[in-house]
Amino acid sequence: QKEVEQDPGPLSVPEGAIVSLNCTYSNSAFQYFMWYRQYSRKGPELLMYTYSSGNKEDGRFTAQVDKSSKYISLFIRDSQPSDSATYLCAMSATGNQFYFGTGTSLTVIP
Amino acid sequence: ETGVTQSPTHLIKTRGQQVTLRCSSQSGHNTVSWYQQALGQGPQFIFQYYREEENGRGNFPPRFSGLQFPNYSSELNVNALELDDSALYLCASSLVGGGWDNEQFFGPGTRLTVL
Repeated sequence: QKEVEQDPGPLSVPEGAIVSLNCTYSNSAFQYFMWYRQYSRKGPELLMYTYSSGNKEDGRFTAQVDKSSKYISLFIRDSQPSDSATYLCAMSATGNQFYFGTGTSLTVIP
Repeated sequence: ETGVTQSPTHLIKTRGQQVTLRCSSQSGHNTVSWYQQALGQGPQFIFQYYREEENGRGNFPPRFSGLQFPNYSSELNVNALELDDSALYLCASSLVGGGWDNEQFFGPGTRLTVL
């Protein structure tokens, strides 16, 4: 079983839609959770960083962590064509070795 | 504030050769992590360097080695290249002990092709 599972998509939504991206994990020791956005052939760009459980909001982005269910989510409100990218979740128990999902490919159609 | 930079951008090598990739960490950061990202996959942790010492290693063979220098820049060395080593190699820097522990910021990557 992989440490982190992420639906690869692809996901296609109309502009303005709410997007929900999810990851599940198996290691209950994970306590650091991140979401990255990666454009084609570029390095990942940090979007959200959450420690332990709870919600965190930053502009149009909301990250949720449910440690009891070993499930994390990223919500994107009012999605824009510029949000079209691959979204990667990443998590760690110790804060040094991060485990990444395979990424979800998102396309926002104008 | 200077972001994470990596060199070279692209590299083509043949099987059996050795390669050195370089990374300059973001200004103020003291920790560098290296990841391998195969096409269509998420990044896989190779190792991390903190204060010039290896601080964690993923499931990679010893022919993957690294260094961190006093200015916190870093090198990734891969010996005896194999075809499966073809990937995007990403460097991420972070500040440990500065109140924003473990947020990792990535460079643009070096795309290595092994023929």
